[in-house]
Amino acid sequence: QSVLTQPPSASGTPGQRVTISCSGSNSNIGRNPVNWYHHLPGTAPKLLIYTNNQRPSGVPDRFSGSKSGTSASLAISGLQSEDEADYYCAAWDGSLKAYVFGTGTQVTVL
Amino acid sequence: EVQLVESGGGLVLPGGSLRLSCVAFGFTLNDFWMSWVRQAPGKGLEWVANIKEDGSEKYYVDSVKGRFTISRDTAKNSLYLQMNTLRAEDTAVYYCVRAVGSSSSWWGQGTLVTVSS
Repeated sequence: QSVLTQPPSASGTPGQRVTISCSGSNSNIGRNPVNWYHHLPGTAPKLLIYTNNQRPSGVPDRFSGSKSGTSASLAISGLQSEDEADYYCAAWDGSLKAYVFGTGTQVTVL
Repeated sequence: EVQLVESGGGLVLPGGSLRLSCVAFGFTLNDFWMSWVRQAPGKGLEWVANIKEDGSEKYYVDSVKGRFTISRDTAKNSLYLQMNTLRAEDTAVYYCVRAVGSSSSWWGQGTLVTVSS
Protein backbone atom coordinates (compact mmCIF):
# COMPACT_ATOMS: atom_id res chain seq x y z
CA GLN A 1 0.00 0.00 0.00
CA SER A 2 2.92 2.36 -0.78
CA VAL A 3 1.12 5.48 -1.95
CA LEU A 4 4.14 7.67 -1.28
CA THR A 5 6.79 7.47 -4.00
CA GLN A 6 10.51 7.89 -3.37
CA PRO A 7 13.51 7.31 -5.62
CA PRO A 8 14.98 3.85 -4.92
CA SER A 9 18.49 5.18 -4.44
CA ALA A 10 20.55 8.31 -3.92
CA SER A 11 24.28 8.80 -3.51
CA GLY A 12 26.98 11.35 -2.89
CA THR A 13 30.55 11.79 -1.81
CA PRO A 14 31.48 12.80 1.75
CA GLY A 15 30.61 16.43 2.36
CA GLN A 16 28.09 16.66 -0.46
CA ARG A 17 24.40 17.46 -0.16
CA VAL A 18 21.87 14.78 -1.02
CA THR A 19 18.14 15.35 -1.43
CA ILE A 20 15.43 12.68 -1.32
CA SER A 21 11.96 13.39 -2.70
CA CYS A 22 8.63 11.98 -1.53
CA SER A 23 5.59 12.33 -3.77
CA GLY A 24 2.06 11.82 -2.50
CA SER A 25 -1.44 13.17 -2.96
CA ASN A 26 -4.03 15.46 -1.44
CA SER A 27 -5.25 12.74 0.92
CA ASN A 28 -1.86 12.29 2.60
CA ILE A 29 0.98 14.81 2.18
CA GLY A 30 -1.40 17.48 0.89
CA ARG A 31 -3.36 17.53 4.15
CA ASN A 32 -1.14 15.98 6.82
CA PRO A 33 2.35 16.43 8.22
CA VAL A 34 5.22 14.38 6.85
CA ASN A 35 7.71 12.41 8.91
CA TRP A 36 11.03 10.90 7.91
CA TYR A 37 12.75 7.79 9.27
CA HIS A 38 16.29 6.47 9.12
CA HIS A 39 16.70 2.68 9.04
CA LEU A 40 19.75 0.49 9.16
CA PRO A 41 18.78 -3.12 8.30
CA GLY A 42 18.74 -5.27 11.41
CA THR A 43 18.15 -2.33 13.75
CA ALA A 44 15.11 -0.37 14.89
CA PRO A 45 14.11 2.50 12.61
CA LYS A 46 14.58 5.97 14.04
CA LEU A 47 12.51 9.12 13.59
CA LEU A 48 14.61 11.72 11.80
CA ILE A 49 12.15 14.51 11.01
CA TYR A 50 8.59 15.03 12.26
CA THR A 51 5.86 17.46 11.25
CA ASN A 52 7.55 18.30 7.94
CA ASN A 53 10.68 20.00 9.24
CA GLN A 54 11.16 19.40 12.97
CA ARG A 55 14.14 17.50 14.30
CA PRO A 56 13.87 15.39 17.46
CA SER A 57 16.55 16.09 20.02
CA GLY A 58 19.79 14.39 19.13
CA VAL A 59 19.31 14.54 15.36
CA PRO A 60 22.09 16.62 13.75
CA ASP A 61 21.08 19.81 11.95
CA ARG A 62 22.64 18.34 8.79
CA PHE A 63 19.22 16.75 8.31
CA SER A 64 16.38 19.00 7.18
CA GLY A 65 12.88 18.46 5.85
CA SER A 66 10.48 20.49 3.77
CA LYS A 67 7.04 20.15 2.25
CA SER A 68 5.24 21.84 -0.61
CA GLY A 69 1.80 20.84 -1.81
CA THR A 70 1.69 17.08 -2.23
CA SER A 71 5.46 16.55 -2.12
CA ALA A 72 8.11 16.58 0.57
CA SER A 73 11.85 16.27 0.65
CA LEU A 74 14.65 15.35 3.00
CA ALA A 75 18.06 16.96 2.62
CA ILE A 76 21.28 15.65 4.08
CA SER A 77 24.07 18.19 3.96
CA GLY A 78 27.70 17.46 4.73
CA LEU A 79 27.16 13.79 3.89
CA GLN A 80 29.02 11.36 6.16
CA SER A 81 29.75 7.65 5.81
CA GLU A 82 27.47 6.86 8.74
CA ASP A 83 24.56 8.33 6.79
CA GLU A 84 24.48 5.20 4.64
CA ALA A 85 21.04 3.77 5.39
CA ASP A 86 17.50 3.49 4.11
CA TYR A 87 15.28 6.55 4.46
CA TYR A 88 11.49 6.55 4.48
CA CYS A 89 8.91 9.31 4.37
CA ALA A 90 5.48 8.75 5.94
CA ALA A 91 2.17 10.50 6.52
CA TRP A 92 -1.38 9.80 7.60
CA ASP A 93 -3.73 9.21 4.67
CA GLY A 94 -7.20 10.50 5.47
CA SER A 95 -8.89 8.59 2.64
CA LEU A 96 -7.31 5.22 3.45
CA LYS A 97 -7.48 5.86 7.22
CA ALA A 98 -3.95 4.50 7.28
CA TYR A 99 -0.45 5.67 8.09
CA VAL A 100 1.46 5.22 4.84
CA PHE A 101 5.20 4.88 4.35
CA GLY A 102 7.09 5.81 1.24
CA THR A 103 8.79 3.22 -0.94
CA GLY A 104 12.14 3.94 0.69
CA THR A 105 15.44 5.35 -0.59
CA GLN A 106 18.80 3.71 -0.06
CA VAL A 107 21.53 6.30 0.43
CA THR A 108 25.08 5.35 -0.51
CA VAL A 109 28.17 7.36 0.37
CA LEU A 110 30.66 6.96 -2.46
CA GLU B 1 14.73 4.51 30.44
CA VAL B 2 12.20 4.04 27.66
CA GLN B 3 12.07 0.53 26.25
CA LEU B 4 9.68 -1.48 24.11
CA VAL B 5 10.24 -5.22 24.23
CA GLU B 6 8.41 -7.37 21.67
CA SER B 7 7.89 -11.10 21.88
CA GLY B 8 5.70 -13.82 20.42
CA GLY B 9 7.19 -14.14 16.96
CA GLY B 10 8.12 -17.46 15.44
CA LEU B 11 7.39 -19.98 12.70
CA VAL B 12 3.73 -20.69 11.97
CA LEU B 13 1.88 -22.62 9.27
CA PRO B 14 -0.25 -20.77 6.72
CA GLY B 15 -3.72 -20.33 8.16
CA GLY B 16 -2.36 -20.39 11.69
CA SER B 17 -2.40 -17.77 14.46
CA LEU B 18 0.12 -15.89 16.57
CA ARG B 19 -0.15 -13.25 19.27
CA LEU B 20 2.58 -10.64 19.47
CA SER B 21 3.20 -8.82 22.75
CA CYS B 22 5.01 -5.59 23.47
CA VAL B 23 5.84 -4.58 27.04
CA ALA B 24 6.56 -0.91 27.67
CA PHE B 25 9.10 0.26 30.22
CA GLY B 26 9.79 3.80 31.35
CA PHE B 27 6.44 5.27 30.32
CA THR B 28 2.72 4.59 30.50
CA LEU B 29 1.32 3.01 27.35
CA ASN B 30 -2.02 4.76 27.79
CA ASP B 31 -0.42 8.16 27.31
CA PHE B 32 0.37 7.53 23.64
CA TRP B 33 -0.99 6.26 20.33
CA MET B 34 0.68 2.89 19.76
CA SER B 35 1.33 1.14 16.46
CA TRP B 36 2.63 -2.03 14.88
CA VAL B 37 4.84 -1.62 11.81
CA ARG B 38 6.37 -4.47 9.83
CA GLN B 39 9.12 -5.06 7.29
CA ALA B 40 8.98 -8.09 5.04
CA PRO B 41 12.28 -9.57 3.80
CA GLY B 42 13.77 -7.31 1.14
CA LYS B 43 10.85 -4.88 1.36
CA GLY B 44 10.17 -1.49 2.90
CA LEU B 45 8.40 -0.47 6.07
CA GLU B 46 4.65 -1.05 6.23
CA TRP B 47 2.35 0.30 8.92
CA VAL B 48 0.00 -2.46 10.16
CA ALA B 49 -2.27 -1.01 12.84
CA ASN B 50 -2.59 1.60 15.54
CA ILE B 51 -4.66 2.25 18.65
CA LYS B 52 -5.55 5.52 20.35
CA GLU B 53 -4.43 6.34 23.90
CA ASP B 54 -7.74 5.31 25.43
CA GLY B 55 -8.31 2.42 23.01
CA SER B 56 -11.39 4.06 21.52
CA GLU B 57 -10.04 4.15 17.97
CA LYS B 58 -8.22 1.45 16.03
CA TYR B 59 -7.06 1.47 12.42
CA TYR B 60 -5.63 -1.25 10.19
CA VAL B 61 -3.95 -1.54 6.80
CA ASP B 62 -6.39 -3.07 4.30
CA SER B 63 -4.40 -6.29 3.90
CA VAL B 64 -4.91 -7.31 7.56
CA LYS B 65 -8.46 -6.07 8.21
CA GLY B 66 -10.61 -8.87 9.60
CA ARG B 67 -7.55 -11.00 10.42
CA PHE B 68 -5.47 -8.92 12.87
CA THR B 69 -6.60 -7.22 16.09
CA ILE B 70 -4.62 -4.63 18.03
CA SER B 71 -5.28 -4.28 21.75
CA ARG B 72 -3.68 -3.09 24.97
CA ASP B 73 -3.67 -4.11 28.65
CA THR B 74 -3.36 -1.16 30.98
CA ALA B 75 -2.49 -3.23 34.02
CA LYS B 76 0.37 -4.96 32.21
CA ASN B 77 1.41 -1.81 30.31
CA SER B 78 1.41 -3.97 27.20
CA LEU B 79 0.36 -3.82 23.57
CA TYR B 80 -0.74 -6.85 21.58
CA LEU B 81 -1.33 -7.91 18.00
CA GLN B 82 -3.50 -10.97 17.54
CA MET B 83 -2.82 -12.36 14.07
CA ASN B 84 -5.18 -14.96 12.60
CA THR B 85 -5.43 -16.70 9.23
CA LEU B 86 -1.78 -15.93 8.58
CA ARG B 87 -0.44 -15.89 5.04
CA ALA B 88 3.04 -16.20 3.58
CA GLU B 89 2.98 -12.48 2.80
CA ASP B 90 2.63 -11.71 6.52
CA THR B 91 6.21 -12.91 7.01
CA ALA B 92 8.09 -9.93 8.40
CA VAL B 93 9.82 -8.35 11.35
CA TYR B 94 7.10 -6.68 13.43
CA TYR B 95 7.97 -3.53 15.36
CA CYS B 96 6.03 -2.07 18.27
CA VAL B 97 6.09 1.73 18.00
CA ARG B 98 5.17 4.52 20.37
CA ALA B 99 3.77 7.70 18.80
CA VAL B 100 4.96 6.75 15.31
CA GLY B 101 4.73 10.28 13.88
CA SER B 102 5.60 12.61 16.71
CA SER B 103 8.67 13.81 18.58
CA SER B 104 7.92 11.12 21.19
CA SER B 105 8.42 8.32 18.66
CA TRP B 106 10.15 5.21 20.00
CA TRP B 107 10.61 1.84 18.30
CA GLY B 108 11.16 -1.63 19.72
CA GLN B 109 13.80 -3.96 18.29
CA GLY B 110 11.23 -6.12 16.50
CA THR B 111 10.14 -9.73 16.50
CA LEU B 112 10.30 -12.02 13.46
CA VAL B 113 7.19 -13.78 12.19
CA THR B 114 7.66 -16.47 9.56
CA VAL B 115 4.63 -18.01 7.86
CA SER B 116 5.67 -21.13 6.01
CA SER B 117 4.84 -24.78 5.57
